[in-house]
Amino acid sequence: DAGVTQSPTHLIKTRGQQVTLRCSPKSGHDTVSWYQQALGQGPQFIFQYYEEEERQRGNFPDRFSGHQFPNYSSELNVNALLLGDSALYLCASSLPQGSSGGYTFGSGTRLTVV
Amino acid sequence: AQSVSQHNHHVILSEAASLELGCNYSYGGTVNLFWYVQYPGQHLQLLLKYFSGDPLVKGIKGFEAEFIKSKFSFNLRKPSVQWSDTAEYFCAVIAPGATNKLIFGTGTLLAVQP
Repeated sequence: DAGVTQSPTHLIKTRGQQVTLRCSPKSGHDTVSWYQQALGQGPQFIFQYYEEEERQRGNFPDRFSGHQFPNYSSELNVNALLLGDSALYLCASSLPQGSSGGYTFGSGTRLTVV
Repeated sequence: AQSVSQHNHHVILSEAASLELGCNYSYGGTVNLFWYVQYPGQHLQLLLKYFSGDPLVKGIKGFEAEFIKSKFSFNLRKPSVQWSDTAEYFCAVIAPGATNKLIFGTGTLLAVQP
C-alpha cells in the first residue's frame, strides 16, 4: 500500500481535450507534489501545493494547473492536451519540510493522448 | 545545464553478482540525495537518503550508497543481488534553494537473471 491514492489509474483522451487527475496524500502529510514521467525518463517536477497554494513550479506550460483542497487532497488539470502529454503522472506527498522525511509516491495515473 | 546523470541505462546481472549504479549531479553547495526504486507495476519507493554526516548511507534491502563530494557522486551499491532486485532505480537530488523539489535522473533498469 503506497499510502498515496491516485485516480484514475489509466485514462485515454483525445488531443485538445482537458483532463483532471486526483490525488489523496498519505495520512498526516499536507504537501502534495506532481511529477510527469515520460516513457524511459525520470519523473519531472510539475508543481507543489501546500496550504492550498502553489508553492513551487517546474518548467511546464500554463496548460498544467492544479488545486489543493482543505483536506490536503489535490487535483492536476491539463488543458488542450497534446500527444506529448502522454505519460505517467505521479503524485507525491510529504510534510512541509518534506526532504527530511522523504516523499511517499502514489502508483500514478497513466495518461494516453490519441 | 544543472542535472542528475545516471550513466548506466540498462544493467543485466546474474544472481549473487555485485551491483554498483552510478549517479552524478552538477549542483554546487549542499544537496540532499536520494535513491528510489520502482519494482514492476509498483510505486516509487525510497531506498535510502543522504542529508549530512557519514557519507556511507545504508538503506533497505541491503543497499548502500556513498556520497563523494569531490566527485559530485552518490553511487548505489549492493554486494550480492537477488532476482527480486529486478527493478528500475532512480537517483534524485534536492538542489540548494530548491526546497522540496526532487530532480531525478533518467533511471537505470536492472535485470537480475536467476
